[in-house]
Amino acid sequence: DGGITQSPKYLFRKEGQNVTLSCEQNLNHDAMYWYRQDPGQGLRLIYYSQIVNDFQKGDIAEGYSVSREKKESFPLTVTSAQKNPTAFYLCASSIETRNSPLHFGNGTRLTVT
Amino acid sequence: GESVGLHLPTLSVQEGDNSIINCAYSNSASDYFIWYKQESGKGPQFIIDIRSNMDKRQGQRVTVLLNKTVKHLSLQIAATQPGDSAVYFCAEKDYGGSQGNLIFGKGTKLSVKP
Repeated sequence: DGGITQSPKYLFRKEGQNVTLSCEQNLNHDAMYWYRQDPGQGLRLIYYSQIVNDFQKGDIAEGYSVSREKKESFPLTVTSAQKNPTAFYLCASSIETRNSPLHFGNGTRLTVT
Repeated sequence: GESVGLHLPTLSVQEGDNSIINCAYSNSASDYFIWYKQESGKGPQFIIDIRSNMDKRQGQRVTVLLNKTVKHLSLQIAATQPGDSAVYFCAEKDYGGSQGNLIFGKGTKLSVKP
């Protein structure tokens, strides 16, 4: 079955450590996205990528980094510079970058203590 | 900046009744709207979308209505079932614009009583 796989589902880290969240898709979608979801707030865009080896900052990119070396993969690194890293992180993809719906993974819940 | 909002944060309905979830938008440039359903602990799932050249679009048990005059969007779910219990988000953007411009509302929680 085609879909988006995020791993792990739960992740715990100590403050000051970098952590990388995995996102893999087998939908052959060109575009991929990372969102952050906090209680009572709408999804906020961190980074997105329209093609391999290219990506753009979203609204809240500070403290995060990404890479897009392969079409299928778009890992997100939460660095120690991110002031409030504890959140639910959602990866998504879409066929193209304009008007096709986003397909989401089931998220990674990151807790930093 | 302008953002999408929702009239009610929670909605409780009886199983079998119809549900109506509302969404207000303020960006007059938005002309593409999407509804998502998010179950607890899962990612959002696409339900239906609509462009501003339409005022109604139907899917399986769902209908989206768009009123551009008052900048209002609604999602109607017919014969609501327990499996419909979830948080529902609307999202907006300008059609043809970058997906990076997609703005999500905060969500309405739908609870279905048996």
